[in-house]
This record gives sequence, C-alpha cells and structure tokens, in this order.
Amino acid sequence: GDSVTQMEGPVTLSEEAFLTINCTYTATGYPSLFWYVQYPGEGLQLLLKATKADDKGSNKGFEATYRKETTSFHLEKGSVQVSDSAVYFCALNNDYKLSFGAGTTVTVRA
Amino acid sequence: EAQVTQNPRYLITVTGKKLTVTCSQNMNHEYMSWYRQDPGLGLRQIYYSMNVEVTDKGDVPEGYKVSRKEKRNFPLILESPSPNQTSLYFCASSPRTGGVATSSRTEAFFGQGTRLTVV
Repeated sequence: GDSVTQMEGPVTLSEEAFLTINCTYTATGYPSLFWYVQYPGEGLQLLLKATKADDKGSNKGFEATYRKETTSFHLEKGSVQVSDSAVYFCALNNDYKLSFGAGTTVTVRA
Repeated sequence: EAQVTQNPRYLITVTGKKLTVTCSQNMNHEYMSWYRQDPGLGLRQIYYSMNVEVTDKGDVPEGYKVSRKEKRNFPLILESPSPNQTSLYFCASSPRTGGVATSSRTEAFFGQGTRLTVV
C-alpha cells in the first residue's frame, strides 16, 4: 500500500537558520503530495501542495518540489522564525485516501 | 466561515462506556474521514465516507463505528472504549471535484481534534 517516510525529529534550530525536512513516498498511480502543519493545540492546516511531477509548492517561505524520479517531496525554508515551531506532516493523496508520515517536531529558538 | 467542527475537544471516559464524537462540516464536501494521531505513528485513517450512506474501513477500524446519514455529519462511535483507544482524533473533509484522478489533487480540511482518554 501507499506509505510516507519522513525525517525523524525532533529538530531544534536557531532563528534565521535553514530548515530541511526530508520526505519520501511509495505509491501507485499519480498521487498528490502535501505538507501539513500542526501548531500546538490545533488541528492540521495545509501548508503547501503539489499535484504532479516537477510541481513546486510554496507558502509562507516554505517550498517543496515533487520529484517523481526520487519519489521525494522535501520541505525547505531558508530562514526560520520562532513562529515556525510546529509539527510538520508530509502526506500523499491517492484516490481520496490521505497517507501521512510520522510527523517532525520543529522547535525554533530565538 | 468554512470549517470542520468536532465535539467534544476533550473527553475522559471509562472502559466500556459507549461514546460518540461528532463531526460536522459546512462546505458541502462529499468525502469525510476520521484519523487518529499517536506519537511516532503520524495520522492513521480509521474510517472514511465517499458520500451519504457510503462508508468504508480505513487502516485501523477495529473498535470503531461510523455513520453518514447526512452529508454534513460523520460521527465516530466507540461502542466499548478501551485504553488503547486513548488518542488524538481528527475528522477531515474534502470535495469531490470530478473523476478519481482530479479528486486526489484536493486537500483535506481538518477539525480541531478531540483528545480522548480511556481509563
């Protein structure tokens, strides 16, 4: 079945540092790929998405590119802020079913 | 405001006492689903519904029931809760935008979550 593997956390960074969270997937067909973010005490919010190979999703300074050849969708941000502290989930949507990675907790220190 | 609403947000119950977690969406979405979130396991799908009166099992359906009598509501029922069902639960909805290939491009909208503790 479909599966998503993402980088283990937790990750602790200083403000303005570069953030990368690796995500790889296994799926049949042509899934869409997503990054969701969960702030403390809240539900999941869509951060960005890509629906086909080579698409780049971007939002709030975060970017991820759908790489079909390496089955990856790594999340990057060039300069993180304290407000980026959250849990980040990589996910794929294949025929309505969302499959999630385990989540990566990111803490940004001032 | 477009949203998915779950109730209650927090619940502590005892083993064996039936409970229902409600989920309602106001976006006229066809597809709804339930997930549980556990540390180190991400979110796992419990049940999903493609439309009214159409439901199916997800990855971890044991010990849960659902119903979809109306388009907007998708309650999760635990007939006899056990401690291993202590978890954070999320309801989600998404629209159907055409055939299967295009539908998979839409994102899901999540509720705020229900933290359930079974003692």
